[in-house]
Amino acid sequence: DGGITQSPKYLFRKEGQNVTLSCEQNLNHDAMYWYRQDPGQGLRLIYYSQIVNDFQKGDIAEGYSVSREKKESFPLTVTSAQKNPTAFYLCASSSGQGINLEGHGYTFGSGTRLTVV
Amino acid sequence: AQKVTQAQTEISVVEKEDVTLDCVYETRDTTYYLFWYKQPPSGELVFLIRRNSFDEQNEISGRYSWNFQKSTSSFNFTITASQVVDSAVYFCALSEESNTGKLIFGQGTTLQVKP
Repeated sequence: DGGITQSPKYLFRKEGQNVTLSCEQNLNHDAMYWYRQDPGQGLRLIYYSQIVNDFQKGDIAEGYSVSREKKESFPLTVTSAQKNPTAFYLCASSSGQGINLEGHGYTFGSGTRLTVV
Repeated sequence: AQKVTQAQTEISVVEKEDVTLDCVYETRDTTYYLFWYKQPPSGELVFLIRRNSFDEQNEISGRYSWNFQKSTSSFNFTITASQVVDSAVYFCALSEESNTGKLIFGQGTTLQVKP
């Protein structure tokens, strides 16, 4: 079955450490997204990519970096510059753009819960 | 600017009660999509429905129904005869104007259904 796989499910980061969250999809979707979820704040967009080798900042990109070297993969690195990284991170993908959004709009991964220790 | 507002932060009901989750949106587009997603405790968002702006027919799927009214920019979601398994966070979302494929999400409504 096609879908999105996020790993790890739980991640612990020490102060000053960079960590990378994995997101892989086998849906042949062009677009991929990273969201951060904090209690009571809904989903906030970190970065998105509409095509391989291209990505754009979302609303809260500071302290994060991404790459899109392959269509299937969109890893997110949480750098030491991100002062409050403890949150739930969701990756999503979609096949269309704007009014061409198809079907389910987004397909989501199961998320990674990052905690600073 | 586009915006999705889910004014109800938390709702608590007793099993078998009906419950309506409100969603109000703002957009300048004439063509757009609206979505509802469910986030159970496991964390993954699950698609519930997609509605095109030019289709104002209400939809029913089992115990779920959706009322789309362009005149009031609302896309409300009703669960009839709620069950404990309906307990989750529910998000309403709107497709972004700039045709990027981005979705604008509301803050989410946490629904607790008590036995």
